[in-house]
Amino acid sequence: QVQLQESGPGLVKPSGTLSLSCAVSGDSISRGNCWGWVRQPPGQGLEWIGDVCHTGTTTYNPSLMSRVTISVDRSKNQFSLTLSSMTAADTAIYYCARSPGWYRIDYWGQGTQVTVSS
Amino acid sequence: QPALTQPPSASGSPGQSVTISCTGTSSDVGTYNLVSWYQQHPGGAPKLLISEVNKRPSGVPDRFSGSKSGNTASLTVSGLQAEDEADYYCSSKAGSNGYVFGTGTTVTVL
Repeated sequence: QVQLQESGPGLVKPSGTLSLSCAVSGDSISRGNCWGWVRQPPGQGLEWIGDVCHTGTTTYNPSLMSRVTISVDRSKNQFSLTLSSMTAADTAIYYCARSPGWYRIDYWGQGTQVTVSS
Repeated sequence: QPALTQPPSASGSPGQSVTISCTGTSSDVGTYNLVSWYQQHPGGAPKLLISEVNKRPSGVPDRFSGSKSGNTASLTVSGLQAEDEADYYCSSKAGSNGYVFGTGTTVTVL
C-alpha cells in the first residue's frame, strides 16, 4: 500500500520561504512515476503546483514557476517543495501526490496546513 | 492557465442521477483524453474516481461514469447515495503546462 506523508512548518512569515517534504512508503520514487504537489486555499478549489518525474524532469504551474522548486532525495525516498516569497495568498492545505502517468493522481498525502502570517 | 469551469453545486435525491460538467478549451479538455475526476469529502484528501475520461480505478463503483464531448467533460453519478455527498473536481492535461483543475462542484444528496 502506497502512503505519502507531508512534513514541514505550519507557519511561514510573509516574504519567507516554505519548505515541505513528502515521505513515500510502499513505492520507490526512482520507479516510473511522477511525484508532485497540489494545494487548496481555505474554502477554495485545488491548484496544481508542479511535479518531478522519475526521469528527473520537472514541470511547474506557470503562475508559480518563478517561485517554486520540486526536488527528490532518492536516499530518503522522499521529495520536497520549496516556495519562495510567500504571501497570505499562499495560505493553503498542501498535498503531496503520486501520478503513475496519464495525468491522473492515484495517491495523495493527508495534507498539511500552511499559514502565512507574521 | 485558467481553471476549468464547473457548476458550483448539483443535487439529487437518493437513487437519482446527477451529472457534473467540466468545461475547458481546445488547449486542454478539447485536445486531450486525459480528464480525471476526484471526490473530496470535508476534511479529507481527494480520491481518484475517473481517469482518461472514462476509466474507473479498481474499487470505484460503476455508479460513477465519465464522458467527453468537445471541450466539455462530464461526470455522472447514478443511483445517488448519501455517501456521494462531497466536492467533485475535474482535471485535465494542460498542454506543456502540466495539469489544470476544475473549479469544483458540491454535490448534495437531498
